[in-house]
Amino acid sequence: DAGVIQSPRHEVTEMGQEVTLRCKPISGHDYLFWYRQTMMRGLELLIYFNNNVPIDDSGMPEDRFSAKMPNASFSTLKIQPSEPRDSAVYFCAITRGTGAFSQPQHFGDGTRLSIL
Amino acid sequence: KQEVTQIPAALSVPEGENLVLNCSFTDSAIYNLQWFRQDPGKGLTSLLLIQSSQREQTSGRLNASLDKSSGRSTLYIAASQPGDSATYLCAASTSGTYKYIFGTGTRLKVLA
Repeated sequence: DAGVIQSPRHEVTEMGQEVTLRCKPISGHDYLFWYRQTMMRGLELLIYFNNNVPIDDSGMPEDRFSAKMPNASFSTLKIQPSEPRDSAVYFCAITRGTGAFSQPQHFGDGTRLSIL
Repeated sequence: KQEVTQIPAALSVPEGENLVLNCSFTDSAIYNLQWFRQDPGKGLTSLLLIQSSQREQTSGRLNASLDKSSGRSTLYIAASQPGDSATYLCAASTSGTYKYIFGTGTRLKVLA
């Protein structure tokens, strides 16, 4: 019961290339989150949206990272240009109900990104 | 700044054993605390969410407690099964920032 479909599941690309990760909520939601998971830093919140509007992007590591939510059914996380240190698993998650952090979070299965 | 620690990092137990996973946090101004399970190659599954006004939450064989004064939460798993094998993460949401800070997890293996 992910409630969220992420694509691609795996991405391998060379340094300097543009990478676009996709997230599609498959049921209603109120908030959408992008997280990054690495062995060194664990799970970190990058950005979250409410009603398609970015609320807090303070976790986005650099200007190379950008996220959009053009509609309620789709969000993208883009890295341009990509660097080897961006290698990680990127998760999209949603919550339903009022309060971004008051309800259980439902995660997708993630995109495993490797930058060579 | 909130810090969340989970000890031990890994744990192996025989099937049927009752066990406790620990989560410690440094800032007692907790808004809520959430326990997750993560299977290899998968996302996180929310198990239990404890609001700051609550002391514990239960779901089936799982019971999570919250003690803000001591900066601790525990996840109790009764009668463990091989299917419980996974990594368990706790995440603390602190009043003010509200964003979750995650622990690094406890990797549990239940032996048949």
